[in-house]
Amino acid sequence: DVKVTQSSRYLVKRTGEKVFLECVQDMDHENMFWYRQDPGLGLRLIYFSYDVKMKEKGDIPEGYSVSREKKERFSLILESASTNQTSMYLCASSLYRGNEQFFGPGTRLTVL
Amino acid sequence: QQQVKQSPQSLIVQKGGISIINCAYENTAFDYFPWYQQFPGKGPALLIAIRPDVSEKKEGRFTISFNKSAKQFSLHIMDSQPGDSATYFCAASKQLRGGYNKLIFGAGTRLAVHP
Repeated sequence: DVKVTQSSRYLVKRTGEKVFLECVQDMDHENMFWYRQDPGLGLRLIYFSYDVKMKEKGDIPEGYSVSREKKERFSLILESASTNQTSMYLCASSLYRGNEQFFGPGTRLTVL
Repeated sequence: QQQVKQSPQSLIVQKGGISIINCAYENTAFDYFPWYQQFPGKGPALLIAIRPDVSEKKEGRFTISFNKSAKQFSLHIMDSQPGDSATYFCAASKQLRGGYNKLIFGAGTRLAVHP
């Protein structure tokens, strides 16, 4: 059974803190993605990675960075959290040239 | 800019009725159109998908209708059940040269099926 796990379901942080969101997939997928989900806006792509140590900006990369040191792990970093980064963050993975993306359960981040 | 427009934002249907969600896209280079279903507390999961070389795809009670000339596609849920209550996202994508598929999602439709 395919599995994408995210390190936390809920997270509360203070403005200015550095925040790490971790994602692990056990399907040996090449591609990994980070999205944020906001009501009325759907899912918006922040960053994605198609190989270890490779990354590409998505549609809303400002204020975020990512790290992929191992194939199965993709981290999203908020260098200095701000209140407008309060959101649901979803990680996904897919095979090379695969169409289907498999999503984790999400991390609901609140920045106070 | 929003490349995939989805409507309605929310939908209430009686059990046994037909649920219809519509999407429109702009980029004619898109070549894959999936629908994802998301239950509360879960991540989205692929429900059904279509490519533009066919006009309809049916899987059980779920059907995608695709109109290439109008750049529109829709999801029909026949005999809607309370267990279908979820948020539905349409999406569109084009496979890029790096071997990855960048999905552009619609805003989502929250469906409630009342018993």
